[in-house]
Amino acid sequence: AQTVTQSQPEMSVQEAETVTLSCTYDTSENNYYLFWYKQPPSRQMILVIRQEAYKQQNATENRFSVNFQKAAKSFSLKISDSQLGDTAMYFCASSRDSGAGSYQLTFGKGTKLSVIP
Amino acid sequence: DAGVIQSPRHEVTEMGQEVTLRCKPISGHNSLFWYRQTMMRGLELLIYFNNNVPIDDSGMPEDRFSAKMPNASFSTLKIQPSEPRDSAVYFCASRKDFQPQHFGDGTRLSIL
Repeated sequence: AQTVTQSQPEMSVQEAETVTLSCTYDTSENNYYLFWYKQPPSRQMILVIRQEAYKQQNATENRFSVNFQKAAKSFSLKISDSQLGDTAMYFCASSRDSGAGSYQLTFGKGTKLSVIP
Repeated sequence: DAGVIQSPRHEVTEMGQEVTLRCKPISGHNSLFWYRQTMMRGLELLIYFNNNVPIDDSGMPEDRFSAKMPNASFSTLKIQPSEPRDSAVYFCASRKDFQPQHFGDGTRLSIL
């Protein structure tokens, strides 16, 4: 079975500082996607960033970037210039082929990030 | 553009009652997912539809759970009879082809 592990249940960071959230995954797929989703207290699940495994270049979205280490099956999220609105649960997810030319996601248990003023 | 719409947002009911959760995916999306989120088990995929056809229902916990997608714009998740351990937040998500999933705001279900 595919697994996604987030080893940090909770983290905190000072406003304007940088924080890195860890994620490792286990997959036998040759091609797959990796995702970070954010869930603020409002409960919405918001896509933060996506990485395609066949792309060596790390994905970036404004203050959010990833460090994708394919051989190590590691996919960490770096948040630069942390803002109070970044306070949320962060979920790492990997895709697995479900046939019929599609895929589904396996999620980690999440990391609760608190940004401190 | 309207996102994924779920109803109700909150549901409180007594054990043994039938519960129906509803989802309207984003127009044009061809895959729909139902998830359950609890503190203990995190986010679990219950069932997944592609072009209105159930592809994988291996996550459905018991026969008490059933899901339907009668057309491309509507899906239901039904629990009958409901039990206190079914209390959770239930999310619906939709996606077009290989694009990322978009989630609804979830339904918080409490079974007393």
